[in-house]
Amino acid sequence: GNSVTQMEGPVTLSEEAFLTINCTYTATGYPSLFWYVQYPGEGLQLLLKATKADDKGSNKGFEATYRKETTSFHLEKGSVQVSDSAVYFCASSKGQGGKLIFGQGTELSVKP
Amino acid sequence: GAGVSQSPSNKVTEKGKDVELRCDPISGHTALYWYRQRLGQGLEFLIYFQGNSAPDKSGLPSDRFSAERTGESVSTLTIQRTQQEDSAVYLCASGGGTGYEQYFGPGTRLTVT
Repeated sequence: GNSVTQMEGPVTLSEEAFLTINCTYTATGYPSLFWYVQYPGEGLQLLLKATKADDKGSNKGFEATYRKETTSFHLEKGSVQVSDSAVYFCASSKGQGGKLIFGQGTELSVKP
Repeated sequence: GAGVSQSPSNKVTEKGKDVELRCDPISGHTALYWYRQRLGQGLEFLIYFQGNSAPDKSGLPSDRFSAERTGESVSTLTIQRTQQEDSAVYLCASGGGTGYEQYFGPGTRLTVT
C-alpha cells in the first residue's frame, strides 16, 4: 500500500542554518504531496503542496520539489529561524480529495 | 472565514465509557476526514466522508469506532467502551472545491483513565 517515510528527528539547528528534511513515498500512480507543520500548541497547517511531477511547492521560504524518479519530496529552507521550530509532516494523497497518508513527523528545533 | 472547529477540546473519560467527538467543517466543504494522533506516533487516517457517497471506513481500528455525518455539515465520531489505547488527539479535517488540500481543526485530546 501507499506509505510515506521521512527522516527521524529531532533535528537541532542554529539560526540561519540550511535545513533539509527528507521524505520519500511509495504509491501507485502519481499522488499529490504535501508538507504540513505543527507549531507548539497549535493545530496542523498546510505548509506547501505539489500535485504533479516536477512541481515545486513553496511557502514562507520553504521549498519542496516533487521528484518522480526518486519518489521524493524533500523539504528545504536556506536560512532557518527560531520561529520555524515545529514538527513537520510529509504526506501523500491519491488524487483530489483522497485521504492523507502521513510520515512519522520530524521535530525541528532552531537555537538562537 | 471560520475554520474547522472541534469540540470538546479536551475529554477525560473512564475506561469502558462511550464518548462522542464533534467536528464542524468549513462551510461548503464536501469532504470531511477524521484522523488520530497517538503520542509518539504519526497521524492515522480513520474515516472519510465525501458528499452523499458511502464513507471510506477503512481506517477505523475496531467496531467500537463509528462516525456519522449529516449532509455536508457536522460530523460526530463515537468511540464505545473506550480503552486506554484510545487515548490520542483526534483531528478532523475538511476539504473541497478544486483544491487538494485538507484543513485541520485544533483537535480533541482524549484521555482514557
